[in-house]
Amino acid sequence: GQQLNQSPQSMFIQEGEDVSMNCTSSSIFNTWLWYKQEPGEGPVLLIALYKAGELTSNGRLTAQFGITRKDSFLNISASIPSDVGIYFCAGGNYGGSQGNLIFGKGTKLSVKP
Amino acid sequence: ETGVTQSPTHLIKTRGQQVTLRCSSQSGHNTVSWYQQALGQGPQFIFQYYREEENGRGNFPPRFSGLQFPNYSSELNVNALELDDSALYLCASSSTGGQSYEQYFGPGTRLTVT
Repeated sequence: GQQLNQSPQSMFIQEGEDVSMNCTSSSIFNTWLWYKQEPGEGPVLLIALYKAGELTSNGRLTAQFGITRKDSFLNISASIPSDVGIYFCAGGNYGGSQGNLIFGKGTKLSVKP
Repeated sequence: ETGVTQSPTHLIKTRGQQVTLRCSSQSGHNTVSWYQQALGQGPQFIFQYYREEENGRGNFPPRFSGLQFPNYSSELNVNALELDDSALYLCASSSTGGQSYEQYFGPGTRLTVT
């Protein structure tokens, strides 16, 4: 099935460092979402973006909806050990009859105390 | 507010068998979507149910079928299980059919087919 391109695949960082990851698509979306998944759990919604160029924050997390509508970026500032997990981007086109989200393969984040 | 719940947590089936997975949506949500997540991959959309009808389907064969009940809970049925069906099955709820993409996921059901 179709998947978005997420990079990097994995990151090993020191506690306190900032993190950046991105997601690209060959198709345009009118919605971008970022999720975090921890072992044995389902993905948890972090941020939803609905407008090209939009910049939205949720605590230490900041995400941007790319101006081309084909990409999105997630930044985490001052990382802490509980940021460990897999971060997924997802794109969708709300307003149609279908409600599917297209996900990336994820960026695995490891934080060293 | 009650979140999305799924049952069972995990199960093991034999190739060729049938399985039913269950999902209760978050309170206030009327739409349920099902996803399959293979190891090391992102979730893949199976289908969505809204107003007890299928409201979109991904690239999955007809042996994957579903139901939505009047209380918005849902079932995923898989017939003639294959080894490749081994995965984490995720249910997500949202509101207003395909009009909202803020989907909230349950913890998933881990299916192993031997």
